[in-house]
Amino acid sequence: GQQVMQIPQYQHVQEGEDFTTYCNSSTTLSNIQWYKQRPGGHPVFLIQLVKSGEVKKQKRLTFQFGEAKKNSSLHITATQTTDVGTYFCAGPSNDYKLSFGAGTTVTVRA
Amino acid sequence: EAQVTQNPRYLITVTGKKLTVTCSQNMNHEYMSWYRQDPGLGLRQIYYSMNVEVTDKGDVPEGYKVSRKEKRNFPLILESPSPNQTSLYFCASSLTPSRGTQYFGPGTRLLVL
Repeated sequence: GQQVMQIPQYQHVQEGEDFTTYCNSSTTLSNIQWYKQRPGGHPVFLIQLVKSGEVKKQKRLTFQFGEAKKNSSLHITATQTTDVGTYFCAGPSNDYKLSFGAGTTVTVRA
Repeated sequence: EAQVTQNPRYLITVTGKKLTVTCSQNMNHEYMSWYRQDPGLGLRQIYYSMNVEVTDKGDVPEGYKVSRKEKRNFPLILESPSPNQTSLYFCASSLTPSRGTQYFGPGTRLLVL
C-alpha cells in the first residue's frame, strides 16, 4: 500500500533561522495536504496542493508539490516560537483513504 | 461554529472493559474517520465511513468497531480493550477525504491498564 514518509522526524531550530521538512510518497498523489498540530492540540489543516510543481505561500511558510507529484516540502523562514509543533503531510491513497506521514516535530530555541 | 466533538477527552480503563468514544460533527460532512496517534508513528487510520451505514477498515482496525447510523455521529467501540490500545485518538470529518480539509476533534487520550 501507499506509504508517506517525512523527514526529519525532529527539527530543532534557532529562532530566526529557516528550515525545511520533506514529505515523500511511494505512489503518485492526486493532491497533498499539510497539517499542523500544536503541543497538546489536534491537527489543523494548513493547505492543499493539487497541481504538479505547485508552490503556495502562507506568510513565512512556503509549500511545494513536486513535479512528479510524489513529494512535497514545507519551508519556514525566520522561525518564531509560534511555529512550535508537529507538521504532518497527508496524501490520499484512494478516494476514501488518507495516509499521513509520521510528522516533523519542531522545537525553537529562543 | 463548525466543529467535531469527542467524548470523553480522557479515559482510564482496565483490560477487557468495553468502552465507546463518541464523535459528532455539525458540518453535514459525509466522510468521517478515526485515527490513533502514537509517538513516532504519526496518525494511523483505524476506520472510516463514506456515508451513513457505509464503513470500511483503515490501516489498523484490529480490536476496534465503528457504526454510522446517523450522518453526524461516528462512535468508536473497543469491545475488549488491551494495553496496546493505549493511545491518543482523533475523530475527523470532511466533505471528501481526498479533496478538502479534514476537521479533527480535540482528541481522546485513552489509558488501558
